[in-house]
Amino acid sequence: GAVVSQHPSRVICKSGTSVKIECRSLDFQATTMFWYRQFPKQSLMLMATSNEGSKATYEQGVEKDKFLINHASLTLSTLTVTSAHPEDSSFYICSAGRTGGHEQYFGPGTRLTVT
Amino acid sequence: GENVEQHPSTLSVQEGDSAVIKCTYSDSASNYFPWYKQELGKGSQLIIDIRSNVGEKKDQRIAVTLNKTAKHFSLHITETQPEDSAVYFCAASRSGGTSYGKLTFGQGTILTVHP
Repeated sequence: GAVVSQHPSRVICKSGTSVKIECRSLDFQATTMFWYRQFPKQSLMLMATSNEGSKATYEQGVEKDKFLINHASLTLSTLTVTSAHPEDSSFYICSAGRTGGHEQYFGPGTRLTVT
Repeated sequence: GENVEQHPSTLSVQEGDSAVIKCTYSDSASNYFPWYKQELGKGSQLIIDIRSNVGEKKDQRIAVTLNKTAKHFSLHITETQPEDSAVYFCAASRSGGTSYGKLTFGQGTILTVHP
């Protein structure tokens, strides 16, 4: 159990366009989902925390208007990178946590390349 | 906020040897310490975790120890195999307040197991 999927696994887009990444918990209800980005050879950096039905909490330095997060159901959260630029190219990873638990279950990640 | 330091950044061992990765944390209120394994281009997989009410936990070839007084915890892998080669991340989090469930990651350790 505790499987998290992400879609797409890879995406290439042109500068100025928007990209949506989906994160789904397949076999459990995720009250909280987290979005991370990871640059090559670096650790995961938390971007935002989203709780189902409420606004996401963004980490310092993360532009909420650029990285739109929606967590409309207990099994789905989406991250939309708006007006993407080459510097947004990164590996984006989501994780999901069960109600009352500490554990986070990670998705396989999405490789975004902005040309 | 929490700060997690991880060492070494790279670790190379021969198959069958043991591998030890160490992490220190700064927030004495942290009470959950997971370890993740990340293979190239993939998301992170939880391999073992420990809570602050225990000092050691073991799962087959993998063990984690926690020293709350010194604020450090370690991952021990015995009888290493080539498929253990990956990047390993430690993390820390604490329950309660607005930071509930938020993981702070270490910098990662690239483990290479040579056949």
